[in-house]
Amino acid sequence: NAGVTQTPKFRILKIGQSMTLQCTQDMNHNYMYWYRQDPGMGLKLIYYSVGAGITDKGEVPNGYNVSRSTTEDFPLRLELAAPSQTSVYFCASSYRLEETQYFGPGTRLLVL
Amino acid sequence: AQTVTQSQPEMSVQEAETVTLSCTYDTSESDYYLFWYKQPPSRQMILVIRQEAYKQQNATENRFSVNFQKAAKSFSLKISDSQLGDAAMYFCAYRSSFRNGGATNKLIFGTGTLLAVQP
Repeated sequence: NAGVTQTPKFRILKIGQSMTLQCTQDMNHNYMYWYRQDPGMGLKLIYYSVGAGITDKGEVPNGYNVSRSTTEDFPLRLELAAPSQTSVYFCASSYRLEETQYFGPGTRLLVL
Repeated sequence: AQTVTQSQPEMSVQEAETVTLSCTYDTSESDYYLFWYKQPPSRQMILVIRQEAYKQQNATENRFSVNFQKAAKSFSLKISDSQLGDAAMYFCAYRSSFRNGGATNKLIFGTGTLLAVQP
């Protein structure tokens, strides 16, 4: 199993540009999550999904959108990039609500 | 709302020695989960150890063990026989249990402790 994979590893965006961060897991996990990690801070939940077709907001959803058309994929969309979205983004998944979340390697995003 | 506090921004330990990282949390819930995650320079978040609040026995994973004090809301991580590969940022995290009712997907993280291992 590859586990949780994320692409790209690093990206520079200009203000106002849009992009999609990709996340894929091959563990047949129902639950998937997007977190952001700002410098010197812990992770904060952006969005999560409890299964294909079902998504919900986390702590910091503004400026982001998600979709979950398959069990494996959970892309995160930034529509109008802002400097405040400069961060490291982590995708995670778990099989059940009570199960441990497993993280991908992260995507570093710089908005200039 | 639940909070997680890690009061040690940085720690240092000699190789082969033992180090303890502190974590305290605040919650009104009786049922929850606590985690320690390791984040090496590669940025991958790696689960180190997990504790279920309703279990009195402290969790252990090889050289890693916890001291879980539920009444004091304390959850410290002990690393024995420290190795150079243990150098990383360590995050303490809290998650509510579904037995409290409602969706409980969110992991609440502390701000992390950067551990250096000296050869």
